Amino acid sequence: QQPVQSPQAVILREGEDAVINCSSSKALYSVHWYRQKHGEAPVFLMILLKGGEQKGHEKISASFNEKKQQSSLYLTASQLSYSGTYFCGTEIYTGGFKTIFGAGTRLFVKA
Amino acid sequence: KAGVTQTPRYLIKTRGQQVTLSCSPISGHRSVSWYQQTPGQGLQFLFEYFSETQRNKGNFPGRFSGRQFSNSRSEMNVSTLELGDSALYLCASKSHDPAPGNTIYFGEGSWLTVV
Repeated sequence: QQPVQSPQAVILREGEDAVINCSSSKALYSVHWYRQKHGEAPVFLMILLKGGEQKGHEKISASFNEKKQQSSLYLTASQLSYSGTYFCGTEIYTGGFKTIFGAGTRLFVKA
Repeated sequence: KAGVTQTPRYLIKTRGQQVTLSCSPISGHRSVSWYQQTPGQGLQFLFEYFSETQRNKGNFPGRFSGRQFSNSRSEMNVSTLELGDSALYLCASKSHDPAPGNTIYFGEGSWLTVV
């Protein structure tokens, strides 16, 4: 049930772009994206509902293809502060709605 | 508005012991979920409680249990601790709306080390 995230890790220079993918084998009702810095709680970035909407948050945006059960997170012109681990959470229905998270993508942005 | 509060933040236990972790959700939130986080495994779903009832459960052994009180505060318990239980345990809360698409807010977690 756990969604698959790719890549597992990525290193960027400041100003470069990155894409993180999230794929599930289950029908999805929503996809959540979070960023976690070492020793801190995961922080909410955005949520995408069924309908293929693309949402944005500053220079971070995401898309959701419900037919393919996939979501992608787009980081544009990365900043040092973008470093951390990114998790996608896929909301599925198993007698009730629950959110299952992927193993995470470690992103490091260097100057 | 206070965030999700977890206690204790750090604890060390011995194999075979049991541990209880506590979580206070955001005021007004009635759903509380628990996740286990270990390196390389990401966030593993343990269970979710809503209005004092377990609504969902992950694939963890029966040694992991939880409960929710009438004020929405939640506790999770792990009995007969094993070395592999060492992890960061995260509590998350969301609003009472049972529909999908509710934002999940995480606490800072409880770091459990089993020796």
